[in-house]
Amino acid sequence: SAVISQKPSRDICQRGTSLTIQCQVDSQVTMMFWYRQQPGQSLTLIATANQGSEATYESGFVIDKFPISRPNLTFSTLTVSNMSPEDSSIYLCSVAGTSEDNEQFFGPGTRLTVL
Amino acid sequence: QKEVEQNSGPLSVPEGAIASLNCTYSDRVSQSFFWYRQYSGKSPELIMSIYSNGDKEDGRFTAQLNKASQYVSLLIRDSQPSDSATYLCAFSAGGNNRLAFGKGNQVVVIP
Repeated sequence: SAVISQKPSRDICQRGTSLTIQCQVDSQVTMMFWYRQQPGQSLTLIATANQGSEATYESGFVIDKFPISRPNLTFSTLTVSNMSPEDSSIYLCSVAGTSEDNEQFFGPGTRLTVL
Repeated sequence: QKEVEQNSGPLSVPEGAIASLNCTYSDRVSQSFFWYRQYSGKSPELIMSIYSNGDKEDGRFTAQLNKASQYVSLLIRDSQPSDSATYLCAFSAGGNNRLAFGKGNQVVVIP
């Protein structure tokens, strides 16, 4: 499977600021996704990052709050804008399209704490 | 309406026993089903995928899918302390490989 890296691995931010999380894959992938995992909870899909076009957001998530870029088939960014303590979470990118069955694999995650 | 339901309580099993996890889903058109293992502080790791009715075995893991009853299960045979983790079931919730996850089951293997 592809090797996925995320930067930063963790950060502590002040409310009202923004943080951009990077996701890099070592090979071209068809699909990239961004998830959030709040403390003690399961994973919630934020959006599908589309190469060369606007991301597709899930219900409850909007572009102004979580702008996403995907300039090519190996890289994507997620920005968490105007942060509040409720945004404290683990943010995970995942990729699909590296296996015949389109299985989805996750990066190591970014642990975000907003004070 | 929740899409994916998993048994909520932690499951404690003695070392060497079988751990059994169940998951039900509400979307009848789902075609792809997955089990992920997540160690504390780590990201989810794919351990099983299953697409057709019946059993699929991989080492000590067996996934069982019953589309008519809309459930998928995971058996862990000869449980080891290293199997202690949270197990998440997921299914494709529509096109483009979008996944819906259950809340997860914590498994604790007691030596």
